[in-house]
Amino acid sequence: EDQVTQSPEALRLQEGESSSLNCSYTVSGLRGLFWYRQDPGKGPEFLFTLYSAGEEKEKERLKATLTKKESFLHITAPKPEDSATYLCAVPFSSGSARQLTFGSGTQLTVLP
Amino acid sequence: GAVVSQHPSWVICKSGTSVKIECRSLDFQATTMFWYRQFPKQSLMLMATSNEGSKATYEQGVEKDKFLINHASLTLSTLTVTSAHPEDSSFYICSARTSGRWGTDTQYFGPGTRLTVL
Repeated sequence: EDQVTQSPEALRLQEGESSSLNCSYTVSGLRGLFWYRQDPGKGPEFLFTLYSAGEEKEKERLKATLTKKESFLHITAPKPEDSATYLCAVPFSSGSARQLTFGSGTQLTVLP
Repeated sequence: GAVVSQHPSWVICKSGTSVKIECRSLDFQATTMFWYRQFPKQSLMLMATSNEGSKATYEQGVEKDKFLINHASLTLSTLTVTSAHPEDSSFYICSARTSGRWGTDTQYFGPGTRLTVL
């Protein structure tokens, strides 16, 4: 069964304390793994797409990596404004449809 | 990145009335748009997939007669919640997928619409 699982559910960091968020997946034939950031009361904001194992992408203090079974979102020296829920998603194919299935998210809080 | 707008951003209505939510892709054409629902502290739940010019495909458990979706153009999809009841109160988010072959497209999300039914 295709699944997307994120951990931890919640993470509290001090400003400047680096850490990683995990997204593990089981899907036959990965067609991309997506990371989004969601602030309270807003829609998800696109961050990265990773397509193949070994691929890495960076944006400011964020770096996403991908293996054959999981993806990590590394946050280096986070700031309070990085506080948000981070969602990963994988497209599952159902017939002719391609739909993103989301993990439950990691709620990140960065304390000043 | 691509921009998706939603209108209204919030709406309060009385039980039994209908509410229409618009979703627009502002700087790209979207053959496919999606509608999600999100409850507090939960992840996004896909309600339906709409393709321009054809009927929407609803997820299991979503009432198609209650949640009417129209995707009349490549930049506009609407969700109408008919005869809304308090249990329909939620955060509704649309997304639009950029065109491209499998593996190269991306879904961009609107800012969401907070619906409160009294």
